Amino acid sequence: ETGVTQTPRHLVMGMTNKKSLKCEQHLGHNAMYWYKQSAKKPLELMFVYNFKEQTENNSVPSRFSPECPNSSHLFLHLHTLQPEDSALYLCASSQSPTSTDTQYFGPGTRLTVL
Amino acid sequence: AQSVAQPEDQVNVAEGNPLTVKCTYSVSGNPYLFWYVQYPNRGLQFLLKYITGDNLVKGSYGFEAEFNKSQTSFHLKKPSALVSDSALYFCAVREPASGGSYIPTFGRGTSLIVHP
Repeated sequence: ETGVTQTPRHLVMGMTNKKSLKCEQHLGHNAMYWYKQSAKKPLELMFVYNFKEQTENNSVPSRFSPECPNSSHLFLHLHTLQPEDSALYLCASSQSPTSTDTQYFGPGTRLTVL
Repeated sequence: AQSVAQPEDQVNVAEGNPLTVKCTYSVSGNPYLFWYVQYPNRGLQFLLKYITGDNLVKGSYGFEAEFNKSQTSFHLKKPSALVSDSALYFCAVREPASGGSYIPTFGRGTSLIVHP
């Protein structure tokens, strides 16, 4: 449960604000992920990083900007968001992005855009 | 393209009864299949996975899942449900890296409610 941490746990922001979500993993993994979870919809993969390099951008709008300074930390910078961006944002990590590796998830940041 | 379906939004079961949460998948090659559980206000927790070998996979908290290639299913089961099993369950599929994207595809989730 404490292998992947996310801060803040809750965030309320206006459409003109700029904020950042932080994720840290203590598992020694090399791959990190951002997901968006909306009610009654499948998890949406947003970004994948492997050894600090972005390997996937799943057609995410530019108002979401990821940053991975090292294999343990992942940020999601937010600016000029829309109300429909309100969701639970989950960070995950795995040893590598290969198909068999288990992903470990953080508790998420509940984002509300007013 | 890979896909996964969880046909039931909600499953209700009495405590002590067996439970099944259904999952079907579609991939072009051999699938790698996963089950995760999400408790309220928490992230997803890994339960079990099928990579190869025995079709019956045993996981955490007494859960198991059976891989059925002919029916393209990977249903999650538990012989005796507990109230504490009430949560949201996600099935996920990944295709082998050599055959396509290694990115997992998740189902919409099934809410399991176990009644005392």
